[in-house]
Amino acid sequence: ELKVEQNPLFLSMQEGKNYTIYCNYSTTSDRLYWYRQDPGKSLESLFVLLSNGAVKQEGRLMASLDTKARLSTLHITAAVHDLSATYFCAGASGNTPLVFGKGTRLSVIA
Amino acid sequence: DGGITQSPKYLFRKEGQNVTLSCEQNLNHDAMYWYRQDPGQGLRLIYYSQIVNDFQKGDIAEGYSVSREKKESFPLTVTSAQKNPTAFYLCASSRRKGVTDTQYFGPGTRLTVL
Repeated sequence: ELKVEQNPLFLSMQEGKNYTIYCNYSTTSDRLYWYRQDPGKSLESLFVLLSNGAVKQEGRLMASLDTKARLSTLHITAAVHDLSATYFCAGASGNTPLVFGKGTRLSVIA
Repeated sequence: DGGITQSPKYLFRKEGQNVTLSCEQNLNHDAMYWYRQDPGQGLRLIYYSQIVNDFQKGDIAEGYSVSREKKESFPLTVTSAQKNPTAFYLCASSRRKGVTDTQYFGPGTRLTVL
């Protein structure tokens, strides 16, 4: 059974700083997703990573996947207040539904 | 505009009542999903459907029921058997389950039991 763990669960960062959110998964996952959720809102798709070594970037966010280590990272560069949200990773394998991590609540402060 | 709609946005239920949450999509997606989110928690899968007239239980199906009579609609009924239904309910869809297609989410329904 696939299990997905994120850390940290809470993150407070200063504007302009860099940080990384980690997503570990327990068994083979052939695709890994990152989503963003603003308070009281729905989930917005950020990235889908399909193969070992995949790297995707959008603005100040960069996601990567290491299937050998069963690890995905979401790197935040020069954080700005607009990035404050909860970030979820989710994995799946074969024909199974997505399994979500508990989310990382990011707060960017001045 | 293509997308997923959920209604109502807020729903209040008395104990012992059944309530139905609506989910409609015009993306021509085959697969649809219902998730429950509790405060500070991730998403837990309630039910999913890959094709019309077929659906499967997720991790927390007890106390819930669904139907999939049309491709674009996947309503969720929260029955009186669900002991703690207060939560945020999210509906999602994807072109097909089990492949690389991303799930797209509706705006959610916040259910409160009085």
